[in-house]
Amino acid sequence: KNEVEQSPQNLTAQEGEFITINCSYSVGISALHWLQQHPGGGIVSLFMLSSGKKKHGRLIATINIQEKHSSLHITASHPRDSAVYICASTSYDKVIFGPGTSLSVIP
Amino acid sequence: ETGVTQTPRHLVMGMTNKKSLKCEQHLGHNAMYWYKQSAKKPLELMFVYSLEERVENNSVPSRFSPECPNSSHLFLHLHTLQPEDSALYLCASSQDGGHYTGELFFGEGSRLTVL
Repeated sequence: KNEVEQSPQNLTAQEGEFITINCSYSVGISALHWLQQHPGGGIVSLFMLSSGKKKHGRLIATINIQEKHSSLHITASHPRDSAVYICASTSYDKVIFGPGTSLSVIP
Repeated sequence: ETGVTQTPRHLVMGMTNKKSLKCEQHLGHNAMYWYKQSAKKPLELMFVYSLEERVENNSVPSRFSPECPNSSHLFLHLHTLQPEDSALYLCASSQDGGHYTGELFFGEGSRLTVL
């Protein structure tokens, strides 16, 4: 049974800090998604990756297939980054969502 | 025009009511999904439609009835719901035939409260 875990569950950071959110999964997957959910509920897809590293602005996502682990990094964090970050693993026939990491960036 | 649009954004209904949630995608995708997000729980997949045909139903109670009349529209019909069905219902679409190989694009969600 594939399970997706995230750490930390909650995170508070000062504006400008470098932030790392971790995601681990238990079985082989075809891709790993990082999603951002704002307080209103809407979800935005940040990254979809199956190997290596991707960067978009201040966000960087990495994945290590052998270790079944992915990280989401936020550089120079800003209060507008405050949201819940969700990782999800996908295989051919299913998608499994992690519980989410609630991030609060304080000015 | 946003990619995936859900209406209504908020819905309050009694246990005997019948209502529907609507989702519309303007991205030309071939798969659409309904997800449920209850408080303090991960997202749960409810239904998957690929090319207007249901390809997955994750053992959802029959009081939830999906409908996909075409590749751009997806409905979730609700009847005789229970208070524990109160949750955020999210629609998503992707270009992967429902096999989770494409990027997911989500709507803003419909917040449902069952009294």
